[in-house]
Amino acid sequence: EEQLVESGGGLVQPGGSLRLSCVASGFSFSTYEINWVRQAPGKGLEWVSYISSSGTMAFYADSVKGRFTISRDNAKDSAYLEVNSLRADDTAVYYCARDRLLYFGFDLWGQGTLVTVSS
Amino acid sequence: EIVLTQSPATLSVSPGERATLSCRASQSLSNNLAWYQQRPGQAPRLLIYGVSNRATGIPARFSGSESGTDYTLTIDSLQSEDFAVYYCQQSNSWPPLTFGGGTKVEIK
Repeated sequence: EEQLVESGGGLVQPGGSLRLSCVASGFSFSTYEINWVRQAPGKGLEWVSYISSSGTMAFYADSVKGRFTISRDNAKDSAYLEVNSLRADDTAVYYCARDRLLYFGFDLWGQGTLVTVSS
Repeated sequence: EIVLTQSPATLSVSPGERATLSCRASQSLSNNLAWYQQRPGQAPRLLIYGVSNRATGIPARFSGSESGTDYTLTIDSLQSEDFAVYYCQQSNSWPPLTFGGGTKVEIK
């Protein structure tokens, strides 16, 4: 079964940091691009970051640029999102999602990991 | 940044009826539009890519179309499991990739 599993979320104080992980199984991870998408409580979907299949290209939403860093380790079938300088408005469920090419959409999503920023 | 405006925000439909959801783009998307379904407490699920192509395992009652910068998701003969929130998403001009605000399809 093809699967993405996120972990690493939790309660963190404003200004704090976390490292979110996304572990893949059941498919050839290195042939897919990975995105992080977040959803604040009761709100819609917001794209956060993208990394190419090789890891050589990465892009970010303006709202997180300079604070978040995406990376991947194809040998470990894993992608990561380092989230720093967290603010209350970063509180959300963070999903990782794969795509073969963006045209084909995000065809597999993880179950999400909740990040809560509060003092 | 391409803005996607979904309407209506909430759509009340009886089971067995047709639902028509709209997504208007601020500029041309050249077929780079996808639709997702999100049921309560679940991750989103890809329904449609490339405006009108059903993703693997998606029933034929889901269809997508376009007219200029207006994109439509049609759900024929609504089933109980179709009551959910639906999002459109563009990948034509990015970053950023953008989603619409969503349409909630509820039972009438």
